[in-house]
Amino acid sequence: NAGVTQTPKFRILKIGQSMTLQCTQDMNHNYMYWYRQDPGMGLKLIYYSVGAGITDKGEVPNGYNVSRSTTEDFPLRLELAAPSQTSVYFCASSPTLFHTQYFGPGTRLTVL
Amino acid sequence: ELKVEQNPLFLSMQEGKNYTIYCNYSTTSDRLYWYRQDPGKSLESLFVLLSNGAVKQEGRLMASLDTKARLSTLHITAAVHDLSATYFCAVDRRRSSMEYGNKLVFGAGTILRVKS
Repeated sequence: NAGVTQTPKFRILKIGQSMTLQCTQDMNHNYMYWYRQDPGMGLKLIYYSVGAGITDKGEVPNGYNVSRSTTEDFPLRLELAAPSQTSVYFCASSPTLFHTQYFGPGTRLTVL
Repeated sequence: ELKVEQNPLFLSMQEGKNYTIYCNYSTTSDRLYWYRQDPGKSLESLFVLLSNGAVKQEGRLMASLDTKARLSTLHITAAVHDLSATYFCAVDRRRSSMEYGNKLVFGAGTILRVKS
């Protein structure tokens, strides 16, 4: 199993541009999550999904959108990028509600 | 609103010494997770604590949960250099069983440096 994979690893955006961060897991997990980690801080939940077609907001959803059309994929869309969205983005998945979450390698995004 | 506080935020310790990292949280929860992060890397799961009094041990690390005190501890025994990393606790902020999804609130992390 590859586990949780994310692409790209790094990206630089200009203010106002849009992009999609890709996340795929091959463990058949129902639950998937997107977090952002700012320097020297813990992770903050952006969006999560409990299965294909079901998504909901986390703590910091503004400026982001998600979709979940399949069990495997959970892309995160940034519209109109702002410098405040400069961060490292982690995708995670878990098989059940109480299981630990398995994290992807992260995407380092810089908005200039 | 659930707040999670870790202390200390930075810990420099000698090899062979023992120490404890504390994780306090502000509202009721009985689900707490510990993760490790190496510099520039992703998070690795260490422990899952799902009930009051839960204790888990792996190698030189032991984690416990006291839901009444809203406190979890991560105890390090006889530290070695390989334990140098940032350690995060995360608390599930679901307020009822009607909420779905495991909504974790993370502490700021404790940077551990073990010196030889």
